[in-house]
Amino acid sequence: GAGVSQSPRYKVAKRGQDVALRCDPISGHVSLFWYQQALGQGPEFLTYFQNEAQLDKSGLPSDRFFAERPEGSVSTLKIQRTQQEDSAVYLCASNPSTTGELFFGEGSRLTVL
Amino acid sequence: AQSVTQLDSQVPVFEEAPVELRCNYSSSVSVYLFWYVQYPNQGLQLLLKYLSGSTLVKGINGFEAEFNKSQTSFHLRKPSVHISDTAEYFCAVNPGGSYIPTFGRGTSLIVHP
Repeated sequence: GAGVSQSPRYKVAKRGQDVALRCDPISGHVSLFWYQQALGQGPEFLTYFQNEAQLDKSGLPSDRFFAERPEGSVSTLKIQRTQQEDSAVYLCASNPSTTGELFFGEGSRLTVL
Repeated sequence: AQSVTQLDSQVPVFEEAPVELRCNYSSSVSVYLFWYVQYPNQGLQLLLKYLSGSTLVKGINGFEAEFNKSQTSFHLRKPSVHISDTAEYFCAVNPGGSYIPTFGRGTSLIVHP
């Protein structure tokens, strides 16, 4: 596809379960970002990749959050032992270089019961 | 750390009226500035951007914004809004030298018939 693709679009997890959210960026885009968007809030930065290198993970809220992009294309955000406060929309975005606008996916909405 | 302030959480306006959505940022160094729009259950899409050059930037759907360095502002304007402009609008800032955009908390534009 031409845009950033995220899956699943909706995920319901029981507290304590592990979840994995997938992002397929636009082909050839160097930069990939993960943001967390709580209800009624703006996107909050989680982590940033340049190709396969994770250059910044300062926004990950705890060591339960882990992200990877092993081949410099598809990325996975994993959340272990989910908590209710993890409920949010997780947005993935890519960029063909290191500056300029981001191209966003539609997001993965996580609800933790 | 960079901060972005969107002064109005909600802006109600009648159709065909003008609108201004305000954005201020904290950085005093050179910046890249963006406005994104988010329709319900969708990802963010770029409205317009300022990287350099003319301080008046025109974007899609008739929107424009003006970069004011002395006031560290980047307000979004449209001379005549449509019902279809009802959405959430986010201002974002990249300080010069940073790869990572910081987003404001968003302004909900509600256009009434």
